[in-house]
Amino acid sequence: GENVEQHPSTLSVQEGDSAVIKCTYSDSASNYFPWYKQELGKRPQLIIDIRSNVGEKKDQRIAVTLNKTAKHFSLHITETQPEDSAVYFCAATSTGGGNKLTFGTGTQLKVEL
Amino acid sequence: EPEVTQTPSHQVTQMGQEVILRCVPISNHLYFYWYRQILGQKVEFLVSFYNNEISEKSEIFDDQFSVERPDGSNFTLKIRSTKLEDSAMYFCAGRDSLLNTEAFFGQGTRLTVV
Repeated sequence: GENVEQHPSTLSVQEGDSAVIKCTYSDSASNYFPWYKQELGKRPQLIIDIRSNVGEKKDQRIAVTLNKTAKHFSLHITETQPEDSAVYFCAATSTGGGNKLTFGTGTQLKVEL
Repeated sequence: EPEVTQTPSHQVTQMGQEVILRCVPISNHLYFYWYRQILGQKVEFLVSFYNNEISEKSEIFDDQFSVERPDGSNFTLKIRSTKLEDSAMYFCAGRDSLLNTEAFFGQGTRLTVV
């Protein structure tokens, strides 16, 4: 089945700096890659997603890139703010069965003043 | 904006007891999921459900777990005899299509087995 690895597990940046989180996946049939932000005790919230027919997508300060050949995708947050502090999870869909999401292990992002 | 609703928000139960976690999906959703997240860990897939039957389940989803959608509205996860290691946040999720659309998550039920 699908295996998603995520790095780093923790990331500390200064306010205004950029943050990059990287994920790799194993199943070449995966074709949808969402990123979730999870604040403590709350549900995962979708912040951006990318489909396999696109190499890059941007939404204001957030961008995601996908390299299908290398099977990796990355989240880029520019001009980080304290409210960006949270745990970020990447995920990938399996095209078999019910299209379950396979999540990465999460990155605790801390934006320091 | 429609959302997935889960009840209860927090459930404390004694080891060996049965628990039922409830979810009301968004009305036009057709595909339903349960995920769990042990504190401080990643979100793990448990089971997917479509057309009134399980379409896929993980190794975690053993014979102590069951799901059903008895009235076409509520989507429930039952754990027959809870174990300490079942303590986790359980999230229900749904989507309206398999065509790579967003999965909407409920706010979760925190299950504590004592």
